[in-house]
Amino acid sequence: QKEVEQDPGPLSVPEGAIVSLNCTYSNSAFQYFMWYRQYSRKGPELLMYTYSSGNKEDGRFTAQVDKSSKYISLFIRDSQPSDSATYLCAMSGLMDTGRRALTFGSGTRLQVQP
Amino acid sequence: EAGVAQSPRYKIIEKRQSVAFWCNPISGHATLYWYQQILGQGPKLLIQFQNNGVVDDSQLPKDRFSAERLKGVDSTLKIQPAKLEDSAVYLCASSADSVFGYTFGSGTRLTVV
Repeated sequence: QKEVEQDPGPLSVPEGAIVSLNCTYSNSAFQYFMWYRQYSRKGPELLMYTYSSGNKEDGRFTAQVDKSSKYISLFIRDSQPSDSATYLCAMSGLMDTGRRALTFGSGTRLQVQP
Repeated sequence: EAGVAQSPRYKIIEKRQSVAFWCNPISGHATLYWYQQILGQGPKLLIQFQNNGVVDDSQLPKDRFSAERLKGVDSTLKIQPAKLEDSAVYLCASSADSVFGYTFGSGTRLTVV
């Protein structure tokens, strides 16, 4: 079983739709949760991060973490064609090995149709 | 602030050949990472440096991959000899702390034929 599971999509929505992206994880040591956006032939860029259960909002983006269910979500309101990209969830924590680097999901490819 | 610079952008080599990638992190960032991203997958950590010391190389295939970070700044990642399954994008990232604030470069796309 992978430590982080993410539906690969692709997900196609019309412009203006609300998009929901999700990840589940199995390692209870994960404490920090991030969402990255990756455009084609570019490196991932950090969108949002959080380290507690609950919601965090930034403009059209809302990140949600439910540690009890080991489930995180990213919501995009009023989606735009420029939001078309691959969205990667990522998480980190202090592992038994002392490792803290990020563990990524496989990414969900989103296409917003004009 | 200048971003993370990587070169080359693309590389095509034959299997069993060797290849090297270069990364220049953001100035002042002590932590540098190399990730491998295979098509359709998320990035997977290969090695993490703190200044010029290795923090984590547990997922680096040491029989063929090597990396160094001289003087705690630039870093090179080498593959020798390359296999077909090494075809991937190799991403370099740097951060001022170890949890948040990763900045990735655009990556080097390697194709092994």
